[in-house]
Amino acid sequence: GQNIDQPTEMTATEGAIVQINCTYQTSGFNGLFWYQQHAGEAPTFLSYNVLDGLEEKGRFSSFLSRSKGYSYLLLKELQMKDSASYLCAVRDDKIIFGKGTRLHILP
Amino acid sequence: DAGITQSPRYKITETGRQVTLMCHQTWSHSYMFWYRQDLGHGLRLIYYSAAADITDKGEVPDGYVVSRSKTENFPLTLESATRSQTSVYFCASIGGGTGELFFGEGSRLTVL
Repeated sequence: GQNIDQPTEMTATEGAIVQINCTYQTSGFNGLFWYQQHAGEAPTFLSYNVLDGLEEKGRFSSFLSRSKGYSYLLLKELQMKDSASYLCAVRDDKIIFGKGTRLHILP
Repeated sequence: DAGITQSPRYKITETGRQVTLMCHQTWSHSYMFWYRQDLGHGLRLIYYSAAADITDKGEVPDGYVVSRSKTENFPLTLESATRSQTSVYFCASIGGGTGELFFGEGSRLTVL
């Protein structure tokens, strides 16, 4: 079976840094995704990690530790438009999503 | 236009009716997926397909049927719709070097 856990909600301040954690227990592993989803819209791709380590892409970074079944998404210099849900997903053959973390940004 | 498209975008139907949601992608991606999204549950996998004529169950397959006779199309059928199938349905496909999973815009289904 597969189990993917991430916090339900988080709150941060504009201009700050926030880290969203994701832990997973899966029968197989071919990679881990992070997606952003604004209310009423389709998810949009942020990152896909296959190997251990940190990948940086502008204000967003994603980290993976396969041995610990752990990933995090780091958002820097938060902006109001970053208020959204952030979805962690694991791929073995199929792709299973966690329930998502709703991030609130305060001015 | 290139991409992944879903139709209809909005559908209202009645309990017991058959409904088919269409999904078409222009990239010839091998893998395609159907998800439903409900408040409090996130995205849940209904069915997926690794290639034409190959389909497999996901987390919540009951009440749904899929087919994949052509690589580019992956329709999802609700054979006898129930109120619990009221949801937003997303189709997705994956391919290319980035490993990105591409989503359609979603189909909002209401079953009365």
